[in-house]
Amino acid sequence: GESVGLHLPTLSVQEGDNSIINCAYSNSASDYFIWYKQESGKGPQFIIDIRSNMDKRQGQRVTVLLNKTVKHLSLQIAATQPGDSAVYFCAEGSSYGQNFVFGPGTRLSVLP
Amino acid sequence: EAGVAQSPRYKIIEKRQSVAFWCNPISGHATLYWYQQILGQGPKLLIQFQNNGVVDDSQLPKDRFSAERLKGVDSTLKIQPAKLEDSAVYLCASSRTGLAAYEQYFGPGTRLTVT
Repeated sequence: GESVGLHLPTLSVQEGDNSIINCAYSNSASDYFIWYKQESGKGPQFIIDIRSNMDKRQGQRVTVLLNKTVKHLSLQIAATQPGDSAVYFCAEGSSYGQNFVFGPGTRLSVLP
Repeated sequence: EAGVAQSPRYKIIEKRQSVAFWCNPISGHATLYWYQQILGQGPKLLIQFQNNGVVDDSQLPKDRFSAERLKGVDSTLKIQPAKLEDSAVYLCASSRTGLAAYEQYFGPGTRLTVT
């Protein structure tokens, strides 16, 4: 499969450690935010979402934090595993599925 | 449930040629999206359909790109004529409507190389 994000910022973490991936969004009017995971040769896969009326949401091993004051979003992955290695994108848009804009992405590399 | 299907997976053409990509969304998903993903970047929305109507095509280069979803199910994206800068992965995604529309399911993409 093709490589996604050859020149993206890379975050390297040890297996078992926690990972934090950050994203700055641009539109103050966005009320919906999503994190996607993209493995090489595949389309993006939904991980977790958060609405603008929340500042934290937890899923299985993942937590998303939203700071509307500084327009910042973060994805925390607990106990990072080799299967978490991928490119991660944040996306902002409206809660009715419109005006979606993806961020530039971060490559997560999990070291054994 | 079956995922979003796209074909072909890979296509190599020369500049000024034409190319078409096909997408079959998840059954029951009324909204369909086409994205362009240039290597090293996030996907960029080209066009969004709800059923067979266009919701947003503000970033579609209409002088060379066209898309249709005639029966509100399958969709075709066409480029004519292609330029070198069109080399990218073209992703199709689908979603439900209303408040669940945020969860888009992506297909594997079509990788286009223009030489």
